[in-house]
Amino acid sequence: GENVEQHPSTLSVQEGDSAVIKCTYSDSASNYFPWYKQELGKRPQLIIDIRSNVGEKKDQRIAVTLNKTAKHFSLHITETQPEDSAVYFCAAPRKGGGNKLTFGTGTQLKVEL
Amino acid sequence: EPEVTQTPSHQVTQMGQEVILRCVPISNHLYFYWYRQILGQKVEFLVSFYNNEISEKSEIFDDQFSVERPDGSNFTLKIRSTKLEDSAMYFCASREGMNTEAFFGQGTRLTVV
Repeated sequence: GENVEQHPSTLSVQEGDSAVIKCTYSDSASNYFPWYKQELGKRPQLIIDIRSNVGEKKDQRIAVTLNKTAKHFSLHITETQPEDSAVYFCAAPRKGGGNKLTFGTGTQLKVEL
Repeated sequence: EPEVTQTPSHQVTQMGQEVILRCVPISNHLYFYWYRQILGQKVEFLVSFYNNEISEKSEIFDDQFSVERPDGSNFTLKIRSTKLEDSAMYFCASREGMNTEAFFGQGTRLTVV
């Protein structure tokens, strides 16, 4: 099955700095990689996703890069703001069955003033 | 914007009792999921449902768990005889197709006492 590893588990940055969170996956057939943001007590919400036919995708201050050869993908947040503070989860699908998403262990991002 | 809705938002039950968690997925979605999240931990896959049957389930989803789609709109998770360790946030999710965004409901917090 799919194994998704995520690092770091906690990340503290100063407001305005960049934050990078990395995930690795094991299933070479995986072709869809979403990132979810979960604020305390709330549901996970998609912030960006990337499909395997591209290496990078950007949406304002958020970008995701994908290296299929190395089987890892990263979330980049630039010019961090206090409202970016949350838990971020990467996910990868496993083919077959219901195409479930397997989530990483999460990264607690804290943006300090 | 369409969203996945879950009821109740919070359920407290005695150990050994049956609970039913309810979800209304987004209407044109075809894939349905239940995930759970123990406090402070990652989102864990329970079961996926497609074409009116379970397509995949995790080792957590044992004989005490069942899912149903009794009509065209509802998707339920039943736990027959709850245990203390079933206490968690349970999220329902739905997707339009493979490799598309998974939309999460706001969750049901289940507390088993």
